[in-house]
Amino acid sequence: KAGVTQTPRYLIKTRGQQVTLSCSPISGHRSVSWYQQTPGQGLQFLFEYFSETQRNKGNFPGRFSGRQFSNSRSEMNVSTLELGDSALYLCASSAQPGRASLYEQYFGPGTRLTVT
Amino acid sequence: GESVGLHLPTLSVQEGDNSIINCAYSNSASDYFIWYKQESGKGPQFIIDIRSNMDKRQGQRVTVLLNKTVKHLSLQIAATQPGDSAVYFCAEKNGQNFVFGPGTRLSVLP
Repeated sequence: KAGVTQTPRYLIKTRGQQVTLSCSPISGHRSVSWYQQTPGQGLQFLFEYFSETQRNKGNFPGRFSGRQFSNSRSEMNVSTLELGDSALYLCASSAQPGRASLYEQYFGPGTRLTVT
Repeated sequence: GESVGLHLPTLSVQEGDNSIINCAYSNSASDYFIWYKQESGKGPQFIIDIRSNMDKRQGQRVTVLLNKTVKHLSLQIAATQPGDSAVYFCAEKNGQNFVFGPGTRLSVLP
């Protein structure tokens, strides 16, 4: 079974631009979560989607948004990029959200975004 | 590969020895915990989980211990191998979200 894939793997943008990152979950997984990882803050939760609906959202500004398609693929968008948005953006998929006994998140390799 | 954390605590262990990585969690109401391993250039990889109604859980070469009294989680790796070199995170399930610890870098010495 193929793992979680994320595209692109590396991206360089300038301040003020917007960016869209893509995530394809493991086949059969319907829950997709997005995380931002930086050296200073570690791994921080952005949002979670299940069946095309956003279930949970972390404490990030409205410039960060996402969506999920009917095939469970997900995209996240960051508008009006700031230097501080430079980070590794990780996507994780799981079969079901929120059920502790079944909750295993499988992470993709991430997209390294650099904002100059 | 990507740098997970520039100033992470580091644990250096001789190959073949046992490793113990510790994590303090924040919310006494957290009911589920996971340990992840992140190698350079890769996303975090699930290692083992434990629910709050358990004190100990064993996997292949790994054991997780949960002490709810002091909100402490530990990961024990038996017979540490070079391939175990990575950053290790704990995560607690806090409501619907996961909160991740800062991580510990494990370095295995030959």
